[in-house]
Amino acid sequence: AQTVTQSQPEMSVQEAETVTLSCTYDTSESDYYLFWYKQPPSRQMILVIRQEAYKQQNATENRFSVNFQKAAKSFSLKISDSQLGDAAMYFCSFGAGTYKYIFGTGTRLKVLA
Amino acid sequence: SQTIHQWPATLVQPVGSPLSLECTVEGTSNPNLYWYRQAAGRGLQLLFYSVGIGQISSEVPQNLSASRPQDRQFILSSKKLLLSDSGFYLCAWSVLNQPQHFGDGTRLSIL
Repeated sequence: AQTVTQSQPEMSVQEAETVTLSCTYDTSESDYYLFWYKQPPSRQMILVIRQEAYKQQNATENRFSVNFQKAAKSFSLKISDSQLGDAAMYFCSFGAGTYKYIFGTGTRLKVLA
Repeated sequence: SQTIHQWPATLVQPVGSPLSLECTVEGTSNPNLYWYRQAAGRGLQLLFYSVGIGQISSEVPQNLSASRPQDRQFILSSKKLLLSDSGFYLCAWSVLNQPQHFGDGTRLSIL
C-alpha cells in the first residue's frame, strides 16, 4: 500500500529563519509525483511546490524548495526567510498513475515574530 | 483559466435531514473529480472520486453518496445526516499526475 508520513505534527520557526518540514512515503511505483500543499486558517488548499520523481533536480519556487531523496523515499520542504504569512498546515501528497492521491496527516507551522 | 466553485460555504443541518453539496469546474474538460472530508486539525480523508460522467468510486463505506451528472459537476449527497457527518468538505479536480485544485470548502455542522 502507498503511504505518506509526516512525523512532525507541529513546528515553530522565527520570522526570517529557515525551517524544514519532513515527509516520507512508501511506494513500489517508479514513476510518481509529489506535492506540498499549504492550508492557512481560511482552510483553502494551496499548492506550494511539486516534484516529478523522474527529475533528479530538486524543485524550487521562490522561498520554497524541496530536498527529494528518491532512494530514501524522502521529500522534505524547506522554507527560507520565513514570513508570518507562512503560518499554516502543510500537507505532503503523492500521486502515482492511479487517480488517487495520498496525503500525509499534516504539519502545523507556527511563525514567531 | 480553470476555476472550481463549491457551495454552500457553510451549512447547518439537523440530524436526519438530507444533504446536497455541489461542485463545478470551469475551463477544463473531463477532469478527475474528488470529494474529501477533513476533521478539525486533521488530514484529508478521500470520500469519492470520479474519472468520468456517471463513474463514481467510493473509498469509505458511509452515509454519503456522490454523483456526476455532467462532465464538470460533482455532487455529494446524503438522505439522512448523522452527527458524525459534521466536518469540512473539500471538492477538488485534477488531470492524471498533476496537482489537485481545490474548492474553498464547505463547513457542515450537524445539530
